[in-house]
Amino acid sequence: GAGVSQSPRYKVAKRGQDVALRCDPISGHVSLFWYQQALGQGPEFLTYFQNEAQLDKSGLPSDRFFAERPEGSVSTLKIQRTQQEDSAVYLCASSLGQTNGYTFGSGTRLTVV
Amino acid sequence: AQRVTQPEKLLSVFKGAPVELKCNYSYSGSPELFWYVQYSRQRLQLLLRHISRESIKGFTADLNKGETSFHLKKPFAQEEDSAMYYCALSASNSGYALNFGKGTSLLVTP
Repeated sequence: GAGVSQSPRYKVAKRGQDVALRCDPISGHVSLFWYQQALGQGPEFLTYFQNEAQLDKSGLPSDRFFAERPEGSVSTLKIQRTQQEDSAVYLCASSLGQTNGYTFGSGTRLTVV
Repeated sequence: AQRVTQPEKLLSVFKGAPVELKCNYSYSGSPELFWYVQYSRQRLQLLLRHISRESIKGFTADLNKGETSFHLKKPFAQEEDSAMYYCALSASNSGYALNFGKGTSLLVTP
């Protein structure tokens, strides 16, 4: 596609519910990143894929967070047993290479009630 | 550890006035620095990066390694420059993940 596509655009989850957020990167982009942006803050790194390999997951805040990119294209960020502190905008970005600027998606706004 | 600091949460200037958005960083190696911008209701997008040494929409930014700064400047602000600006650092030892500052909201008033 023309850009990075994320779905859903908005998600309201009850505390304790599992959620899955999808990212469809630009075709051919090798690198894929997930970021979490809390209200009034800058984006914070969660995890990084190069093709299907998850090379860095140091930013995932807890073991409730899990990301995958099984075929090196679409990626899913899963959050189990959501908590109120998980409420944020989750941004996906893709890049051709490691030092190119990223292209960001519009994000998924997650609200945990 | 890497850190990006944007000391101003909000910056308000008049149209036609010069604008400077401050960014300081801490990193022991050779960083790559970027400025990203988010206009109202739009996605985060790359404005410029220091290795390109380019001017985008009249904005420039010079990497000052002595002062560990990467301030964003424009000589004459326009109303359409009103947006959220984020300074970001990419380090080779972090998989080239971006480390963002908290952002500065720029408001250009007529």
